[in-house]
Amino acid sequence: GAVVSQHPSWVICKSGTSVKIECRSLDFQATTMFWYRQFPKQSLMLMATSNEGSKATYEQGVEKDKFLINHASLTLSTLTVTSAHPEDSSFYICSASIGSAGYEQYFGPGTRLTVT
Amino acid sequence: RKEVEQDPGPFNVPEGATVAFNCTYSNSASQSFFWYRQDCRKEPKLLMSVYSSGNEDGRFTAQLNRASQYISLLIRDSKLSDSATYLCVVIPRGSQGNLIFGKGTKLSVKP
Repeated sequence: GAVVSQHPSWVICKSGTSVKIECRSLDFQATTMFWYRQFPKQSLMLMATSNEGSKATYEQGVEKDKFLINHASLTLSTLTVTSAHPEDSSFYICSASIGSAGYEQYFGPGTRLTVT
Repeated sequence: RKEVEQDPGPFNVPEGATVAFNCTYSNSASQSFFWYRQDCRKEPKLLMSVYSSGNEDGRFTAQLNRASQYISLLIRDSKLSDSATYLCVVIPRGSQGNLIFGKGTKLSVKP
């Protein structure tokens, strides 16, 4: 149980285009979903926290107008990288929390984004 | 000072060796602590929680020293399959459960 999927697993796009990444909890309803980003040899950095039906809470330094998060249901959250630039190339990972305790997080397999 | 600091390694050890990783955290009010394992180009997976009294899970032992703001992970009888990056993770008090990750310590177990 507690499986989280992400789609796509990798994507290559041209600079200036937008990319949508989906995160789904397959066998449970996720109260909260988290979006992380990891650059090579760096730690995972939390980008935003989203609760179903409400606006996402972004971490300091993360542009909310560039990284659009939609959490329309208890099993689906999407991250859209708008007007992507090469510096947005990274490994994007989502996680889903079953309960109110955020540490019960189950991670998706990640999406590797390359912007050319 | 970074919130969670780890020695990046790599730690290159032979099979069967015992290896220990350390981690320090800056927020004295942190409430929860974990070790995660991350394989190359994969998502992190929870290895074990770290309790104040210390805890053991098979070959893995985790310890927490709140006074020194220090967490450790000991791996005994290393296996080739233990090769991975080990991430120290902290949840600060009042953070709504947000995980703060260290950069990780890379372990390579050789035959």
